[in-house]
Amino acid sequence: DSGVTQTPKHLITATGQRVTLRCSPRSGDLSVYWYQQSLDQGLQFLIQYYNGEERAKGNILERFSAQQFPDLHSELNLSSLELGDSALYFCASSIGLAGADTQYFGPGTRLTVL
Amino acid sequence: AQSVAQPEDQVNVAEGNPLTVKCTYSVSGNPYLFWYVQYPNRGLQFLLKYITGDNLVKGSYGFEAEFNKSQTSFHLKKPSALVSDSALYFCAVRPKANTGNQFYFGTGTSLTVIP
Repeated sequence: DSGVTQTPKHLITATGQRVTLRCSPRSGDLSVYWYQQSLDQGLQFLIQYYNGEERAKGNILERFSAQQFPDLHSELNLSSLELGDSALYFCASSIGLAGADTQYFGPGTRLTVL
Repeated sequence: AQSVAQPEDQVNVAEGNPLTVKCTYSVSGNPYLFWYVQYPNRGLQFLLKYITGDNLVKGSYGFEAEFNKSQTSFHLKKPSALVSDSALYFCAVRPKANTGNQFYFGTGTSLTVIP
């Protein structure tokens, strides 16, 4: 158990809908990262937050957004969902911003868009 | 462009034999290097990382990895494979100059240890 929690574990929804994925980082970690894992794209970095502020953006679509709250939990919002958004979404956390910091991953949320 | 290559999609090894999972990278500067393992329907678990110093890094579950600067490689090794090592292995690289701290992941190598 990495100490990173994600809810829900599974999510099934329809095209055009909006969903929110939630992540709680390990105790003491200030950085949160979101990744998407799909069969055709592999593991893709989406976005990073540090202590409530956005720090880096990767391959995140404009239909997707995220935020980190004062209690450091983070939410990833996916809207106008398409079939291709079906994937595993992982949250990871690390203690700070140092490049050598290990990222610890949550168990993931499996999103299925029908 | 930054890239990480895991040239083998699948590696099969007999139980008790040594295993190697390969990783090469193309990243500016001297990056930080990581290995993660993913079991079915689970998140990624950290195995080990190279920051600086000794080129041979020891990690969890008896795994180790060798950093080779001239070949820009960071191969994962284990002297004696167990059936329970069967999983998906990811190499990840983080450039030192990358203030975003994002990982660049390889495409993963599926390891099967045959009893």
